[in-house]
Amino acid sequence: QKEVEQDPGPLSVPEGAIVSLNCTYSNSAFQYFMWYRQYSRKGPELLMYTYSSGNKEDGRFTAQVDKSSKYISLFIRDSQPSDSATYLCAMSLGNQFYFGTGTSLTVIP
Amino acid sequence: EAGVVQSPRYKIIEKKQPVAFWCNPISGHNTLYWYLQNLGQGPELLIRYENEEAVDDSQLPKDRFSAERLKGVDSTLKIQPAELGDSAVYLCASSPDRGRINEQFFGPGTRLTVL
Repeated sequence: QKEVEQDPGPLSVPEGAIVSLNCTYSNSAFQYFMWYRQYSRKGPELLMYTYSSGNKEDGRFTAQVDKSSKYISLFIRDSQPSDSATYLCAMSLGNQFYFGTGTSLTVIP
Repeated sequence: EAGVVQSPRYKIIEKKQPVAFWCNPISGHNTLYWYLQNLGQGPELLIRYENEEAVDDSQLPKDRFSAERLKGVDSTLKIQPAELGDSAVYLCASSPDRGRINEQFFGPGTRLTVL
């Protein structure tokens, strides 16, 4: 079993839709929970990180962590074509990082 | 603030040839990572440096891979000899001080193709 599981998609939505991206994990000791966005032929870009269970909002993006269920989500409101990218979840334990496989998202104008 | 710089961006070599990748992290970032990313996969750590010290190289295939960060700033990752299975994107990332270790900043990567 992988430490972090993420549905690779692909996910295709119309512009303006609410997008939900999810990851599950197995190690309850993970401390930080991150979401990265990766455009084609670019490196991952850190979008948000959270430490505890609950929600964290940044503009159109909301990160949600449920430690009891070992489940994290990223919600994108009013999705735009520029949001089309691969979204990677990641978790850290000390200085070690564990990445999901990424979910490919396409927002159709 | 300049981002993480990597070169070359693309490299095509024949198997058994050597290859080297270079990374210059964000100024002041003490922690430097080298990752390997295969198509459709997340990054996988190869080696992590704290200043000039390699503190985690457990996933580095030491028979053919080597890395150095001599002055605790820029770093080089080398493969010798390259194999077909080494075709991937090699990402470099850096983090600021220990209190913000979860904030990793990635470079654009070097896409290696081994023929």
